[in-house]
Amino acid sequence: DAGITQSPRHKVTETGTPVTLRCHQTENHRYMYWYRQDPGHGLRLIHYSYGVKDTDKGEVSDGYSVSRSKTEDFLLTLESATSSQTSVYFCAIRTDTGELFFGEGSRLTVL
Amino acid sequence: GQSLEQPSEVTAVEGAIVQINCTYQTSGFYGLSWYQQHDGGAPTFLSYNGLDGLEETGRFSSFLSRSDSYGYLLLQELQMKDSASYFCAVRDDKIIFGKGTRLHILP
Repeated sequence: DAGITQSPRHKVTETGTPVTLRCHQTENHRYMYWYRQDPGHGLRLIHYSYGVKDTDKGEVSDGYSVSRSKTEDFLLTLESATSSQTSVYFCAIRTDTGELFFGEGSRLTVL
Repeated sequence: GQSLEQPSEVTAVEGAIVQINCTYQTSGFYGLSWYQQHDGGAPTFLSYNGLDGLEETGRFSSFLSRSDSYGYLLLQELQMKDSASYFCAVRDDKIIFGKGTRLHILP
């Protein structure tokens, strides 16, 4: 068990509302990642973090922001959710050997 | 930028061997990883190749050729539980995934 949890696991919201997804780790790993998964697109990197307050964009970062104020928490925020952001969101931590351990996923529906 | 290509679907028979190929184009490259994902679940790590050659882990093996920007995952003695999606991923600071290969196994 890599010690990574996501919350909420399921959320339904309306277009235009802000949404924050939380990723929490108990392993003290430096690198954390947010991906979204949609049919036919695989896993697409949104943002990642390489340390406290150190973040960078991924492949599909438009419409998303992240924050990492503590090693254990990596937050993904949708400032104004759109229907195109309906997806399953996975957080992952990278171990010292480079493996990614994923959280269980957060299913977001934007109506 | 980075891009990875892998077949969208592969079908094989229980007990057989199947190979899933992955070609990549990257600006930075430390190695190639493989992940398995069952329906409704999270991806799980299978293997990693940082150097050219074959890595074996039980029934699964993975191969990398840096000069060809090519790798593959080999699954032997297929079992029904191997029915899943398989993703290759390029590793540097950004870990980028291919779109995945859906493996169907026939009894």
